[in-house]
Amino acid sequence: GESVGLHLPTLSVQEGDNSIINCAYSNSASDYFIWYKQESGKGPQFIIDIRSNMDKRQGQRVTVLLNKTVKHLSLQIAATQPGDSAVYFCAENHPLTGGGNKLTFGTGTQLKVEL
Amino acid sequence: EAQVTQNPRYLITVTGKKLTVTCSQNMNHEYMSWYRQDPGLGLRQIYYSMNVEVTDKGDVPEGYKVSRKEKRNFPLILESPSPNQTSLYFCASSLSPTGLDEQYFGPGTRLTVT
Repeated sequence: GESVGLHLPTLSVQEGDNSIINCAYSNSASDYFIWYKQESGKGPQFIIDIRSNMDKRQGQRVTVLLNKTVKHLSLQIAATQPGDSAVYFCAENHPLTGGGNKLTFGTGTQLKVEL
Repeated sequence: EAQVTQNPRYLITVTGKKLTVTCSQNMNHEYMSWYRQDPGLGLRQIYYSMNVEVTDKGDVPEGYKVSRKEKRNFPLILESPSPNQTSLYFCASSLSPTGLDEQYFGPGTRLTVT
């Protein structure tokens, strides 16, 4: 899951297995969620997003699940490959009173794919 | 190639010496934003812009300035850098003026202020 500490939680998986990365969000009014992948030395890369009127969305090899009841978001990666090794973090958006939006980013989970 | 570029990629400077980090996107995006990334804190938004000549403060704007004179460019200015601004900086852009769609990030600028 997400961490506010200095050391990122790590998920180690075998190549070919499925990976599940979790994220707990804080604001029940959040209406839009995004998963990003960040490889070492690079900028974040958009993976998939989901709006709060959905509970599941699928992309290529990735699925995002949203459970608004417990404020939980997960990213599932099918058939994990070495190229999936990276830090994954979620972001939540909630509308602000008076207009505008606030996007809050999690600190991330390190995914390590073992051969 | 659609991309966000930042320059410089690495910068070491001294306290108080004004610097500018440039950001440019070639996707005709409306929204641009600057973030800083520090260990254990995640990305934090510094400033954002929803259109030319429109800029707004993010979560951590103190010590920074921005401008949006052209759609493609969104420079970040540190008038008097201090050591607590040592960080990894990312510029991002998105098509939607709200920023609530796929954001494209630049490669990052690692700044060290001594």
